[in-house]
Amino acid sequence: AQSVTQLDSQVPVFEEAPVELRCNYSSSVSVYLFWYVQYPNQGLQLLLKYLSGSTLVESINGFEAEFNKSQTSFHLRKPSVHISDTAEYFCAVSPLGGATNKLIFGTGTLLAVQP
Amino acid sequence: DTEVTQTPKHLVMGMTNKKSLKCEQHMGHRAMYWYKQKAKKPPELMFVYSYEKLSINESVPSRFSPECPNSSLLNLHLHALQPEDSALYLCASSQTGQGGDGYTFGSGTRLTVV
Repeated sequence: AQSVTQLDSQVPVFEEAPVELRCNYSSSVSVYLFWYVQYPNQGLQLLLKYLSGSTLVESINGFEAEFNKSQTSFHLRKPSVHISDTAEYFCAVSPLGGATNKLIFGTGTLLAVQP
Repeated sequence: DTEVTQTPKHLVMGMTNKKSLKCEQHMGHRAMYWYKQKAKKPPELMFVYSYEKLSINESVPSRFSPECPNSSLLNLHLHALQPEDSALYLCASSQTGQGGDGYTFGSGTRLTVV
């Protein structure tokens, strides 16, 4: 079985400051890792994913996440946030080799960017 | 077309009503999903269809009945719901249903049961 922990339920930050949203996972098998973003009253959008290869993955809007196998972490970072980044961020995992893609979500972190 | 379209966006129904939620995608994805999301909570998986066959039912009460008429459509039939079933219902699709596919989510149907 897999589980995902996002310890921070809310992260307040000032505009143009750096931010890190933490994600740790537990799994008895190897997993794929994802970050999704949910803006108010909308569905979830895939932000970035780690499947294999380079442990640092980037999104088109300046976010990056680094897979750390030894620490079972996949923290999300952005060097300078904008007001428009205010949203709920969900970390998720999916086990490798599963017959069906089953995405398991963490509890989410609300990124609140203040002017 | 890179979207998952869900209708209606909002639905209010009584506990004795029967209603249906609809989901449509034209990306050629062969796996489709229903998730339920309560306020301030992560999405919870309800059902998975893979190649139009139900592959996962997460012990969902029978008052929720999924249907996949073809590879582009996914329905969720609702009957005799309870107020605690009020939530955002999200549909998603993925290319093959194998792990590693990212999901494409619809914007959801916000359901209120009165």
